[in-house]
Amino acid sequence: QKEVEQDPGPLSVPEGAIVSLNCTYSNSAFQYFMWYRQYSRKGPELLMYTYSSGNKEDGRFTAQVDKSSKYISLFIRDSQPSDSATYLCAMSENSGGSNYKLTFGKGTLLTVNP
Amino acid sequence: DGGITQSPKYLFRKEGQNVTLSCEQNLNHDAMYWYRQDPGQGLRLIYYSQIVNDFQKGDIAEGYSVSREKKESFPLTVTSAQKNPTAFYLCASSFTVGTEAFFGQGTRLTVV
Repeated sequence: QKEVEQDPGPLSVPEGAIVSLNCTYSNSAFQYFMWYRQYSRKGPELLMYTYSSGNKEDGRFTAQVDKSSKYISLFIRDSQPSDSATYLCAMSENSGGSNYKLTFGKGTLLTVNP
Repeated sequence: DGGITQSPKYLFRKEGQNVTLSCEQNLNHDAMYWYRQDPGQGLRLIYYSQIVNDFQKGDIAEGYSVSREKKESFPLTVTSAQKNPTAFYLCASSFTVGTEAFFGQGTRLTVV
């Protein structure tokens, strides 16, 4: 089983739809969770990060972490064509400790159609 | 503006030549990273550095070398020993290792 699993999609939705993007993980030591958005031929852009279970909201974006199920989600409300991109989840065990690694999912390609 | 600058954006080299990719950050971050991104493979860690004058191998370090002589700079050299160097290379930084990382815009290297 891979450490982080992410459905590659592609996912295609109409403008205004609610989008749900998900990752599952196997390492129960993961404590830090991040979501990135990557446009074609660009570097990933940090969207949200959280260090705890529960929900974190930022505008149209909500990040949700369920550590008991080892499952994280990113919800996008009122999706726009400009949200069309690849979304990457990332996670790590701790900061400054022996485990340096940010482990990334392979990304989900999202297209929002006008 | 604070951020991470990678240069050049596109780079072409002949097979057998070494090439150095530049990465500079003005975020005052201690940790810096180099990733390689290939279609369908996700991000793979090449090297990382926790602090000046220190760096560690990542998952795919063979054929690459780095230096960290200044906090702001973490150049990556792709050597002739790297068998498949054509890829999209991404530099990132964070306050400490394992925390949220910020990426540059990438360098697309093509070896012909």
